[in-house]
Amino acid sequence: GQQVMQIPQYQHVQEGEDFTTYCNSSTTLSNIQWYKQRPGGHPVFLIQLVKSGEVKKQKRLTFQFGEAKKNSSLHITATQTTDVGTYFCALNTGTASKLTFGTGTRLQVTL
Amino acid sequence: EPEVTQTPSHQVTQMGQEVILRCVPISNHLYFYWYRQILGQKVEFLVSFYNNEISEKSEIFDDQFSVERPDGSNFTLKIRSTKLEDSAMYFCASSGHNEQFFGPGTRLTVL
Repeated sequence: GQQVMQIPQYQHVQEGEDFTTYCNSSTTLSNIQWYKQRPGGHPVFLIQLVKSGEVKKQKRLTFQFGEAKKNSSLHITATQTTDVGTYFCALNTGTASKLTFGTGTRLQVTL
Repeated sequence: EPEVTQTPSHQVTQMGQEVILRCVPISNHLYFYWYRQILGQKVEFLVSFYNNEISEKSEIFDDQFSVERPDGSNFTLKIRSTKLEDSAMYFCASSGHNEQFFGPGTRLTVL
């Protein structure tokens, strides 16, 4: 099945620093979703990207879908302690189909 | 805001015993899923369910697993004879279209 790698596995930043996680696939993706999982919590949907080269923003979060639709990134500007958690990209192949999660990037933010 | 609920939050069982994990999806959703997450690892798809039947299942979902929607509101995952390696967090999710809403999870510990 499709495999999705995320890098880095773990990142520790000081509050106020920026953070980026990258999601890479060997095959072209129809769309990509991003989820956040707080420690001890469940995945929470952040966004879906569909179009080649698409860029979407949610406050301090910027999501990008690569031109070739094989990679995606999530960038957080000026991290806060509330950003702590694991960020997963996830693929689905169609409406309401299963999600294939990436390996995740765990973000730790300290003061 | 509507949410997916799961019971119990934590289940401890002996190897070889049967367990039933329960979920109440969001009421107007039509697509239901079970995922599992072994501690520290990524979220893995188990099964999807639509129109009262399984629409897709992973290789993890062998004949020890079954799902049921017995009464139009509950959605259950049964593991017939648990193994040590079934210890994980099990998440139920439901979807109306693309975004999947996850429940808080059931932590299953098999001794």
